[in-house]
Amino acid sequence: QVQLVQSGAEVKMPGASVKVSCKASGYTFTSHYMHWVRQAPGQGLEWVGIINPSGSGTSYAQKFQGRVTMTRDASTSTVYMDLSSLRSEDTAVYYCAMGELDTSFDYWGQGTLVTVSS
Amino acid sequence: QSALTQPASVSGSPGQSITISCTGTSSDVGSYNLVSWYQQHPGRVPKLMIYEGTQRPSGVSNRFSGSKSGNTASLTISGLQAEDEADYYCCSYAGSSTYVFGTGTKVTVL
Repeated sequence: QVQLVQSGAEVKMPGASVKVSCKASGYTFTSHYMHWVRQAPGQGLEWVGIINPSGSGTSYAQKFQGRVTMTRDASTSTVYMDLSSLRSEDTAVYYCAMGELDTSFDYWGQGTLVTVSS
Repeated sequence: QSALTQPASVSGSPGQSITISCTGTSSDVGSYNLVSWYQQHPGRVPKLMIYEGTQRPSGVSNRFSGSKSGNTASLTISGLQAEDEADYYCCSYAGSSTYVFGTGTKVTVL
């Protein structure tokens, strides 16, 4: 069965960077795009970006352009999301998500809480 | 890329039908049949309920249905049940490999 397992919670200082990982299993890693979605405490879902695990092509929400980088390691079926210049507003649970069709999200990781605080 | 607009809350009695709207623009909802809907219970991971505007994944109750008219997509829950009480989010493809979520709607079963 499809599983997306994310790295553990992080606490970062303002201005620092964080790298969250998402290890996929149960399907052909290079066959489906991977999305990143975040949810601030008590707030709604926000799409962050997408990576093509096959060719490493990426697309990011305009809001995160210049601060986010998504990469993948096909040898370990893992995708990464690196967010830099962190500020308190980046405190959120970050999810990786993918679907049988690349345009919806059937499967979600368990979420990674990133807390930005001095 | 502004968030799609959803009502903050919708409520209904058990057995009733409710509809949640999701209003975008001609650049997202209006241009593509790629709206999906997600249910999220408190503290839980979102669950896909509808994809491609009207399609239900295997295992999702047929009480959930989706539709679209112009720049507005809708999710209808018929025969409302206590377990349907949750937050609901729409999401649309917005072109150039980008996506946008709705603002979210809290459904309350009275």
